[in-house]
Amino acid sequence: AQSVTQLDSHVSVSEGTPVLLRCNYSSSYSPSLFWYVQHPNKGLQLLLKYTSAATLVKGINGFEAEFKKSETSFHLTKPSAHMSDAAEYFCVVSVDSGNTPLVFGKGTRLSVIA
Amino acid sequence: NAGVTQTPKFRVLKTGQSMTLLCAQDMNHEYMYWYRQDPGMGLRLIHYSVGEGTTAKGEVPDGYNVSRLKKQNFLLGLESAAPSQTSVYFCASRPTGFNSPLHFGNGTRLTVT
Repeated sequence: AQSVTQLDSHVSVSEGTPVLLRCNYSSSYSPSLFWYVQHPNKGLQLLLKYTSAATLVKGINGFEAEFKKSETSFHLTKPSAHMSDAAEYFCVVSVDSGNTPLVFGKGTRLSVIA
Repeated sequence: NAGVTQTPKFRVLKTGQSMTLLCAQDMNHEYMYWYRQDPGMGLRLIHYSVGEGTTAKGEVPDGYNVSRLKKQNFLLGLESAAPSQTSVYFCASRPTGFNSPLHFGNGTRLTVT
């Protein structure tokens, strides 16, 4: 069975400093991995996805994530945080064509301090 | 192209009342899902469907029923609402293919008093 662990429930950074949100996964198969963002009182929006084409994946709003099979990790990074990045971020894993639902991490709340 | 549309956006129920949440998608997606989101709990899967006429239980199905009579619609029913069902409910859909992402609606905020 697959699982996802987001290692921090809350991360706080200053505006203009780097962002690192950590995600580890467990899967018996080669996974697809996704990061979603949820701004307050909004739905979830896809940030980026890994599908084995390239280990470094670029997403929207300057975010990127690196798939490391040896570490079973898929950490999300951004070089310079902006106030508008304050949101909840979810790491998600998929292992088959869809008959098995995707598995969500519990989320990391990112705060950005001016 | 509306994507995934949830109705209603807000609802207040009294304990014991019933209601149906509607999810509609116009992307011809095969799979549809209902999640609930509670503080500190992330998203938890209630029920899902892998095609028209099919449904399956997720992680927290008790107290809910679903139907997928048409491919584009996925209904979530609460037969007898309880305060523990106060939550934000999200519907999502995705096409076939394991690397296909979920597309989410904007949520329904339900309060049961």
